[in-house]
Amino acid sequence: DIVLTQSPGTLSLSPGERATLSCRASQSVASSSVSWYQQRPGQAPRLLIYRASTRATGIPDRFSGSGSGTDFTLTINRLEPEDFAVYFCQQYGSSPLTFGHGTKVEI
Amino acid sequence: QVQLVQSGAEVKKPGSSVRVSCKASGDSFSRFVISWVRQVPGQGLEWMGGIIPMFGTTNYAQKFKGRVTIDADDSTNTVYLDVRSLIFEDTAIYYCARSYNWAENWFDPWGQGTLVTVSS
Repeated sequence: DIVLTQSPGTLSLSPGERATLSCRASQSVASSSVSWYQQRPGQAPRLLIYRASTRATGIPDRFSGSGSGTDFTLTINRLEPEDFAVYFCQQYGSSPLTFGHGTKVEI
Repeated sequence: QVQLVQSGAEVKKPGSSVRVSCKASGDSFSRFVISWVRQVPGQGLEWMGGIIPMFGTTNYAQKFKGRVTIDADDSTNTVYLDVRSLIFEDTAIYYCARSYNWAENWFDPWGQGTLVTVSS
């Protein structure tokens, strides 16, 4: 199974700052098959990014994804109050699909 | 725009079974993949398996093979998750989620989640 390690575990920032979240895979992920999700307390995850860098419908352009192989990054520019949440990466390049343990972005 | 609506919370005893449903509305349903992902409260996400309702084809994570069944009723746009021989560690929120196919397997949208509590 591909293990995804997210870092840092918690990121403490202020509104208006930039957040850089890392997701490292234990082996190369085929075809950059990585997605990112945002989860707010008490809610289901919401898709932000797929194919490593494609924003999902309705996602603001302050969210961007990059990376390939084993290293992937989610960047959030100019943090808004509603961006403080937990973020998960997921790989779907091989079965079983796996998720990272999440990065909490807190104020 | 498809919406996924799940059945309500369940409390089950160890050794028993639970069936959770996921009903789709608003868009074509049966040609996509509907997967189940669980989350122990406060922890990460775990993919269990999925189904393409049109064909009935399934794909399970090895960990859950033999203890979990995913099936679908195309006539009601509903997918079901059965988990047998429940243990305390199965206490989690169970989500259904849609993806386009087995290769483009990112999840959007998600159901609201169903809390399953295993307690004696």
